[in-house]
Amino acid sequence: DTAVSQTPKYLVTQMGNDKSIKCEQNLGHDTMYWYKQDSKKFLKIMFSYNNKELIINETVPNRFSPKSPDKAHLNLHINSLELGDSAVYFCASSQVPGSTEAFFGQGTRLTVV
Amino acid sequence: GEDVEQSLFLSVREGDSSVINCTYTDSSSTYLYWYKQEPGAGLQLLTYIFSNMDMKQDQRLTVLLNKKDKHLSLRIADTQTGDSAIYFCAEKLEGGSYIPTFGRGTSLIVHP
Repeated sequence: DTAVSQTPKYLVTQMGNDKSIKCEQNLGHDTMYWYKQDSKKFLKIMFSYNNKELIINETVPNRFSPKSPDKAHLNLHINSLELGDSAVYFCASSQVPGSTEAFFGQGTRLTVV
Repeated sequence: GEDVEQSLFLSVREGDSSVINCTYTDSSSTYLYWYKQEPGAGLQLLTYIFSNMDMKQDQRLTVLLNKKDKHLSLRIADTQTGDSAIYFCAEKLEGGSYIPTFGRGTSLIVHP
């Protein structure tokens, strides 16, 4: 059983489109995250949710809107995609905010053309 | 400069030891981590060290922390081809955001 699963694994889309990436964790964790990894492998936090509530929102364009229908799911919706949004997006979860360990999904490679 | 810095590449021969280095800037780090990312996969926590420790050993892995120089290293003994991956150093600070800050990762290439 995959602990943190993201879909899709690959996403190729045109500029201006709207797309969503889904994430689910079956670990019973309270906290979920979205990270963006750029082409230089730089990994940056985007959002963090705890029990369906937004607790961290780094300086991310408001075209990015996370949604947490329940604490096991954290989806990422992106409007009006731009070339610079091309990256690998990782979902992660931890037991509580600030837990020692975070568990990562396999990543979604988004390519905007 | 970046908060957590690592060299981008390291190439070693199978069976040799690998040492991956990391420097960080914030002295209020509480935990320092090493994550491994295999091709096409997410990050997996390898090991971590609390900031009041100097060394931690776990089978083939040895983590050394020099808090004075803000330097962290990961030594992999008897490196195998399966160790080829990107290794990320990360720090978590006391107070403020509890989100770890990651380095850019070191690509470890193990050749026969």
